[in-house]
Amino acid sequence: DIQMTQSPSSLSASVGDRVTITCRASQGITNYLAWFQQKPGKVPKLLIYAASTLQSGVPSRFSGRGSGTDFTLTISSLQPEDVATYYCQKYNSVPYTFGQGTKLEIK
Amino acid sequence: QVQLVQSGAEVKKPGASVKVSCKASGYVFTAYFMHWVRQAPGQGLEWMGWINPNSGGTNYAQKFQGRVTMTRDTSISTVYMEISRLRSDDTAVYYCGREEEVVPGYWGQGTLVAVSS
Repeated sequence: DIQMTQSPSSLSASVGDRVTITCRASQGITNYLAWFQQKPGKVPKLLIYAASTLQSGVPSRFSGRGSGTDFTLTISSLQPEDVATYYCQKYNSVPYTFGQGTKLEIK
Repeated sequence: QVQLVQSGAEVKKPGASVKVSCKASGYVFTAYFMHWVRQAPGQGLEWMGWINPNSGGTNYAQKFQGRVTMTRDTSISTVYMEISRLRSDDTAVYYCGREEEVVPGYWGQGTLVAVSS
């Protein structure tokens, strides 16, 4: 099975900072990569699919890039409401494995 | 609007089975796959599999094959996920998620399954 590895595992940044989270696949997955946000005590929310397509209603400060094995999720200007754990998920083939998550906090 | 309402929390003993339901509304039930994802306490998300509500076809993560069964009842727009031979490490919140661009885009509220002797 293809493994998904996120880095860093946790991150602390200031409001207004540009934040980047990386997700690496152990084999190429073209652009079959999604990003989810899970706020504390809440249900996960789909942010981005097809590596770079923003889900409807998601603020434009979120963006995704990448193809093949290396992907990034960027928040251009961190807001207090972005405190959450972020997960990538690959879906080129079963199993649709998630990364282990990146916990984002405000400094 | 799309709504997924899951059944309530369960407490089970090791070796037992549990069946979690997910009732869908607000869209054509048979038009979208449904995923199941679980999250152990303080841990990350784990994809379990999907069911095609139209055909009843399923695809499970290998880890769960032989122990998980996903079914549906189209007459009441409900999907089910049953796990047998429960172990303590099956303690988790179980989510159903309707596909949106292949991945879960709409999520149920989650169902806590606690396995304890």
